[in-house]
Amino acid sequence: GDSVTQMEGPVTLSEEAFLTINCTYTATGYPSLFWYVQYPGEGLQLLLKATKADDKGSNKGFEATYRKETTSFHLEKGSVQVSDSAVYFCALRGGSNYQLIWGAGTKLIIKP
Amino acid sequence: DTAVSQTPKYLVTQMGNDKSIKCEQNLGHDTMYWYKQDSKKFLKIMFSYNNKELIINETVPNRFSPKSPDKAHLNLHINSLELGDSAVYFCASSSGQGFEKLFFGSGTQLSVL
Repeated sequence: GDSVTQMEGPVTLSEEAFLTINCTYTATGYPSLFWYVQYPGEGLQLLLKATKADDKGSNKGFEATYRKETTSFHLEKGSVQVSDSAVYFCALRGGSNYQLIWGAGTKLIIKP
Repeated sequence: DTAVSQTPKYLVTQMGNDKSIKCEQNLGHDTMYWYKQDSKKFLKIMFSYNNKELIINETVPNRFSPKSPDKAHLNLHINSLELGDSAVYFCASSSGQGFEKLFFGSGTQLSVL
């Protein structure tokens, strides 16, 4: 079945460092891909999405490109801030009922 | 003004008890969901309701019963709680059924002792 694999965390970086969180997927067809973020004490919220190959989703300085050839959707940010500390979830829309299939989440810790 | 609110935030209870978690959304969305997040942080859908009608019912023990009195509310009742039910339960909503953009509550951490 469809699945999403994310890099294990926690990922610890210093402020202004470059961020990459890896996400790869297995799916039949052409799923839509998403990144959600969960800030401490809050629910998940949509960060960005891409619906077809080579699409780039972007929001709040974060970017991810839908790479069909490598079945990847890696999240990147050029210069992270302490306020980016959160858990990041990669997901694809597929499976039965086109529901979301989630990765395990990657905790990001940014130190000042 | 919280968009998706669920109560309680923490729930500690004994095995065998019955408990409920409430969820309300003020976004005017038609679809609401319950997700379970296990200890390894994997999110798994349990139920989905659209306009008070059940549309997704994954393989969940029938001790779990969702109830949607109106499209703004989706409550989760759990009978005869077991140790394995310990998890974080998230309520979410969306404007359509296509899982395009979900809005989540902040979660209910259930601990069964």
